[in-house]
Amino acid sequence: KQEVTQIPAALSVPEGENLVLNCSFTDSAIYNLQWFRQDPGKGLTSLLLIQSSQREQTSGRLNASLDKSSGRSTLYIAASQPGDSATYLCAVEVPDKLIFGTGTRLQVFP
Amino acid sequence: DVKVTQSSRYLVKRTGEKVFLECVQDMDHENMFWYRQDPGLGLRLIYFSYDVKMKEKGDIPEGYSVSREKKERFSLILESASTNQTSMYLCASSPGQGAYEQYFGPGTRLTVT
Repeated sequence: KQEVTQIPAALSVPEGENLVLNCSFTDSAIYNLQWFRQDPGKGLTSLLLIQSSQREQTSGRLNASLDKSSGRSTLYIAASQPGDSATYLCAVEVPDKLIFGTGTRLQVFP
Repeated sequence: DVKVTQSSRYLVKRTGEKVFLECVQDMDHENMFWYRQDPGLGLRLIYFSYDVKMKEKGDIPEGYSVSREKKERFSLILESASTNQTSMYLCASSPGQGAYEQYFGPGTRLTVT
């Protein structure tokens, strides 16, 4: 059974730091891996999608990597800003569904 | 831009009521999904649909049903609401599996008293 774990559960950092959020999964048979952002009380916003054949994706200050063989993905946030404060969720797609981690709650303080 | 809308942001219902949560997407996506999100449990899939009038159970379908009469609309139905169905409900859609992102609506916070 596929399980997705995110470490750390919470993170508080000063503005300007470079961050790494971790996601691990137990079964490498995935279609893709997605990173989402969720603001309090809101829906999910898709940040990056990495297909199973890809190693990484970049969007602005965000870079996500995927190592299927080891069951790991990282989300790198460069030069963090207070506006980056949110919960970050990773999810792996398997047949018929996404399986989500429980998220990393990030706070960036000025 | 893909837009997924949900009929209500906040909803308060009484135990035993029949509850309808509506979701509409405007990008002609084939696939639609209903999740619930609870603290410590994350997002869990309730039901999904790959086509009109088609539905499949997710991981936690008990106490729920769905309807997809039109491609753009996917409804979640709580036949007899219970307090343990108090949760955040999120709808999502995607064009297909594999290379496609899922796009989420803003969520409905349902409280059953």
